[in-house]
Amino acid sequence: NAGVTQTPKFRVLKTGQSMTLLCAQDMNHEYMYWYRQDPGMGLRLIHYSVGEGTTAKGEVPDGYNVSRLKKQNFLLGLESAAPSQTSVYFCASSYERLQETQYFGPGTRLLVL
Amino acid sequence: GENVEQHPSTLSVQEGDSAVIKCTYSDSASNYFPWYKQELGKRPQLIIDIRSNVGEKKDQRIAVTLNKTAKHFSLHITETQPEDSAVYFCAASWRGSQGNLIFGKGTKLSVKP
Repeated sequence: NAGVTQTPKFRVLKTGQSMTLLCAQDMNHEYMYWYRQDPGMGLRLIHYSVGEGTTAKGEVPDGYNVSRLKKQNFLLGLESAAPSQTSVYFCASSYERLQETQYFGPGTRLLVL
Repeated sequence: GENVEQHPSTLSVQEGDSAVIKCTYSDSASNYFPWYKQELGKRPQLIIDIRSNVGEKKDQRIAVTLNKTAKHFSLHITETQPEDSAVYFCAASWRGSQGNLIFGKGTKLSVKP
């Protein structure tokens, strides 16, 4: 099993450009999450999903959209990138409920110029 | 909202010594407290977790203690080894976010040989 994978690994965007980050998991997990990690800030939840076709806002959702059309995939979109969105983005998934082990992907490093 | 304070932000110990990282939380309804370890350039990985109906949990050299009255929990690493060097994050579930995790800002642990 590959576990949780993320593409791309690294991306540079110009302010105003759009992009989509893809997260895929092959563990048949119901719950999926998108976090951002900034120096000295820990991990902050952007959006999450409790199952196929569902999404919900987390702690810092502004400027991002998500979709969960298939159980194994969770997409994070930036419609108009801003320098404040420069960060490392981690996707995670968990099996049954929120308060279970979260398995993280390798991360996507995004630089917005 | 929920706030998770983590101390210290950096910790340096000699190999073989013990290390203790402390976290406090504000939501008395929080009932799940995981600890994640993140090595440089890698993804966060769960190392131990504790639920509110338990006061202490051990796994080999790692232990976590929970004081619900004082709303704080701690990670204890005994007989530290160089491979324990990493950033450690505590987290607490928050009812204001439907039970999602709020992370502390992390502790960078350095174990000197």
